[in-house]
Amino acid sequence: DTGVSQDPRHKITKRGQNVTFRCDPISEHNRLYWYRQTLGQGPEFLTYFQNEAQLEKSRLLSDRFSAERPKGSFSTLEIQRTEQGDSAMYLCASSSGTGALGTEAFFGQGTRLTVV
Amino acid sequence: AQTVTQSQPEMSVQEAETVTLSCTYDTSESDYYLFWYKQPPSRQMILVIRQEAYKQQNATENRFSVNFQKAAKSFSLKISDSQLGDAAMYFCAYSLSGGGADGLTFGKGTHLIIQP
Repeated sequence: DTGVSQDPRHKITKRGQNVTFRCDPISEHNRLYWYRQTLGQGPEFLTYFQNEAQLEKSRLLSDRFSAERPKGSFSTLEIQRTEQGDSAMYLCASSSGTGALGTEAFFGQGTRLTVV
Repeated sequence: AQTVTQSQPEMSVQEAETVTLSCTYDTSESDYYLFWYKQPPSRQMILVIRQEAYKQQNATENRFSVNFQKAAKSFSLKISDSQLGDAAMYFCAYSLSGGGADGLTFGKGTHLIIQP
């Protein structure tokens, strides 16, 4: 399978714990995005990487959230001191391109986080 | 800030019939990109169709076509000859760059039910 892969698919954690999610984009894609999707809503943009550089961060991304893409390949999203409001589906997407116009964004199946 | 509104939380159509999903958006930009994404119960988002705002011709992809009304800021999706596999959440999305740093702004989605 050469699509976008996310791990784990499901995560249940206690409030206050830290969690980390991983995204493996399509190998030739230089652009990577994280989105958050809560029940009954569309995905909301969190952050964007071009290669290893994090070029855009939504104000939704509080200081408890940090994302990295150390070698321009896979990415991690860490949430520290989780809160119940962090419960959501976290989606990763990748695309390729330079400049403004990129190719179609391909999405992973997401990581569903439940904070209890 | 750009906003995307999908006013139909749920739509139902008989198999083989045609259905139209509505989307309106708000932007002050003249050049931008619009998308329809499908999210089946497995949760992986799939691009259905894409429209560049500078193109007057409406995009089509097999049974899927759009009615893009730039002045009215309207972007509806028509699905012809509906099939059971079309059942999913459908999200309308906007991007200023088409795939760059701004990511995608999604509507809340429309749940499409296909009745056999």
